[in-house]
Amino acid sequence: GQQLNQSPQSMFIQEGEDVSMNCTSSSIFNTWLWYKQEPGEGPVLLIALYKAGELTSNGRLTAQFGITRKDSFLNISASIPSDVGIYFCAGYHISGGGADGLTFGKGTHLIIQP
Amino acid sequence: DTAVSQTPKYLVTQMGNDKSIKCEQNLGHDTMYWYKQDSKKFLKIMFSYNNKELIINETVPNRFSPKSPDKAHLNLHINSLELGDSAVYFCASSPGTGNQPQHFGDGTRLSIL
Repeated sequence: GQQLNQSPQSMFIQEGEDVSMNCTSSSIFNTWLWYKQEPGEGPVLLIALYKAGELTSNGRLTAQFGITRKDSFLNISASIPSDVGIYFCAGYHISGGGADGLTFGKGTHLIIQP
Repeated sequence: DTAVSQTPKYLVTQMGNDKSIKCEQNLGHDTMYWYKQDSKKFLKIMFSYNNKELIINETVPNRFSPKSPDKAHLNLHINSLELGDSAVYFCASSPGTGNQPQHFGDGTRLSIL
């Protein structure tokens, strides 16, 4: 099946720092989604991207759909303690669609040191 | 109001038992899913269900069977539980089978003794 390579696997940062993470694939995806998961909860949608080159913001979060349709990044500016969690990229492969379910990256664990 | 709700939140049982996990969504969505999250937090699709059409991930053992009494509910039944079934199981839903974001429940933590 399709795989998404997400990096970094974990990040230890100071409060106030900017964060950047990305996902790449060897095949084309036609939708990219970014989710955040906190302990004991399910993934919560942060940003959805539908077009190559699309750049979308949600507060301090910004994500882009790569031009090649094989990658996406998520940036978080001026991190705060509540940003702690696991961030997942996810997407629908071009040959699949909703019925095939989402393909997920392995997650980026964000840890913020006071 | 919880959009996608799962019960129970925790399930501890012995190997060999049969158990069910329930999922309900009040979003009016047409498609529902089950995902498995392993100990390394990797999420993998198990099933999707839309208008009585079931799509099964080929890696899912046939001990797992989804059951949908109506489009707002998709339950997961597991027969003859094995140690490797210990994981967190997430239900999700989306408006249809297009490339739309999915909304997730808070998960059921299944532990096999």
